[in-house]
Amino acid sequence: AQSVTQLGSHVSVSEGALVLLRCNYSSSVPPYLFWYVQYPNQGLQLLLKYTSAATLVKGINGFEAEFKKSETSFHLTKPSAHMSDAAEYFCAVSDRYSSASKIIFGSGTRLSIRP
Amino acid sequence: DSGVTQTPKHLITATGQRVTLRCSPRSGDLSVYWYQQSLDQGLQFLIQYYNGEERAKGNILERFSAQQFPDLHSELNLSSLELGDSALYFCASSVGPAGGRDEQFFGPGTRLTVL
Repeated sequence: AQSVTQLGSHVSVSEGALVLLRCNYSSSVPPYLFWYVQYPNQGLQLLLKYTSAATLVKGINGFEAEFKKSETSFHLTKPSAHMSDAAEYFCAVSDRYSSASKIIFGSGTRLSIRP
Repeated sequence: DSGVTQTPKHLITATGQRVTLRCSPRSGDLSVYWYQQSLDQGLQFLIQYYNGEERAKGNILERFSAQQFPDLHSELNLSSLELGDSALYFCASSVGPAGGRDEQFFGPGTRLTVL
């Protein structure tokens, strides 16, 4: 069975500092991996998606994530945090070989930005 | 705005009651997914419909049911409601049947409160 583990339910960084949100996955087959962002009182929005074309995936709003098979990780980073980045971030996994695959979400990491 | 609409935005009801949540997918999308987001369970996949047919099932209770109509809108029916059913219910849509391969676009959610 597939699963994702997000390390840290809450991360706080200063504005302008590096953002690092950690995600480890478990999958018996090469998965699709995702990062979603949820702003307060809104639905989820896809930040980026790993499909195997490249291990470093660039997403929207300056975020990127690197797929590391040896570490079964897919950590999300942004070089310089902005106040508007404050939100809940979800890592997710899906089976790429299933034609009707569902997405399994992690428990989420709340990112706070200090002025 | 993702293009996915959900009604109502808020719903307050009593235990034992039945409610219906409605979702209209983005124009052109054939798949509809339902998710439940609660504090204790996190974000859980409930069920997927593709072009009117059930495609994938997740952690959906027997008291819950869903369907997708010919015009592709979907309804999630929750019956014999319990306090623990209080949650945010999201609908998402995608073009194709593969929840992982195709990007899912999320609606703003319906907040259900069971008193």
